[in-house]
Parts: sequence; structure tokens; C-alpha cells
Amino acid sequence: GAVVSQHPSWVICKSGTSVKIECRSLDFQATTMFWYRQFPKQSLMLMATSNEGSKATYEQGVEKDKFLINHASLTLSTLTVTSAHPEDSSFYICSARSLGTDTQYFGPGTRLTVL
Amino acid sequence: KQEVTQIPAALSVPEGENLVLNCSFTDSAIYNLQWFRQDPGKGLTSLLLIQSSQREQTSGRLNASLDKSSGRSTLYIAASQPGDSATYLCAVRQPPGAGGTSYGKLTFGQGTILTVHP
Repeated sequence: GAVVSQHPSWVICKSGTSVKIECRSLDFQATTMFWYRQFPKQSLMLMATSNEGSKATYEQGVEKDKFLINHASLTLSTLTVTSAHPEDSSFYICSARSLGTDTQYFGPGTRLTVL
Repeated sequence: KQEVTQIPAALSVPEGENLVLNCSFTDSAIYNLQWFRQDPGKGLTSLLLIQSSQREQTSGRLNASLDKSSGRSTLYIAASQPGDSATYLCAVRQPPGAGGTSYGKLTFGQGTILTVHP
């Protein structure tokens, strides 16, 4: 089956620094990628959707200048948390979908802890 | 705006019991419904997907039903095992084109934390 990887699997950073999370589709071309965040014991909340080569579409309430998304190729999307603060600590999960299909494949997630 | 609710929030059962997890959604205009499993600190594993025209899907000890008109789905787990312990998430997908999107947004419930003890 289709595989989506994320790197790193966990990261700890100091407040004020920026952190980049990578999401890769390993054996298919991901025309659309999705970024979710999940707080402890809560569900996944969609942050943004990106189509390859286009600007990301952000959900209401998500700051686009804080959460920078780049989908430069059909196999890679990156999420950069800029000037991270402790409240940004969360579990970030990416998901990818190939053109013409409904199936979304989910990555294993990245645990971000901001001190 | 679609809202998905899962009941119960947590469930603890002895090994071998049959159990039912419930999911309800407010907007019946869905494209499909999916059940996922999430182990602690991990990503999502898809268990079953039911298209809006279907009533149920089965995979091994799992059976999921869908009553679109009433906005409900149930996940039935037969003969539960300790390895079934995880969080189970229900998610509904909007039809493509709804809300101005071409992909059909996926909305998740908050999950049911299942513990099966030996």
C-alpha cells in the first residue's frame, strides 16, 4: 500500500525558533497534501491543504504566516512552524492523496515540543 | 458545518467481549465514512471505509454500519483482544465540490479510547 513518511518523528526546540517538518509520499505522487494537528486526547484538526505547485489553503483560525507550507514537488511537502511557542506543542500529522483518488494516506506524525 | 461525535469517549472491557463504538454526524450529505485506529503517539491506520451508498463493511472481526439518513455509524468489534486497545476515530468526508473544495474535506470525531484487559 501507499506509504507516507514524516521527518522528524519528534523534535524539541526552544521558544522563538523555527522548526521544519517534512512529509513524503514514498511510492506515489501526492497531488494534494493535508496537514493536521492533534492536541492530547483530542481529534485531528485540519490546518491546511496544499496542491503541488500552488499556495496552501488554510483553515479558518490557522495563521498562514506562522505555519508555512511548501508543496514544491509531487512527493514532498514541508510545514515550518515559525517563531514557535509552547502553545504550538502538539502532534502534527500529514496526509497525502493522489490525483483521481479519494483515499488519503496518513503519515506517522511528528511530536513537537516547544520549551 | 459538519460535526462528528463519538460515544463513549472511553471504554474498558475484558478480553473476549463483543463491543460497539458509536459515531454520529450532523450533516447527512456525506461522500463516505471511515473508521481509523490510532495507537499512542502514532499515526492513523484505516480500518474500514463505507461509501455513502453502502450500509456496512466488514473486515475480519470488525463490522461497520452506516445509516446516512440518521447520521449514525457503528463499529462492531467481535471477540475483543488486548491488541485491539487503541483510540478509534470516525471520520466523514464531504462530497467533492462541497464548501468550495475539490477534494472533500475529512472531519474527525474525538475518538473512543478502547482498553481491552486480559
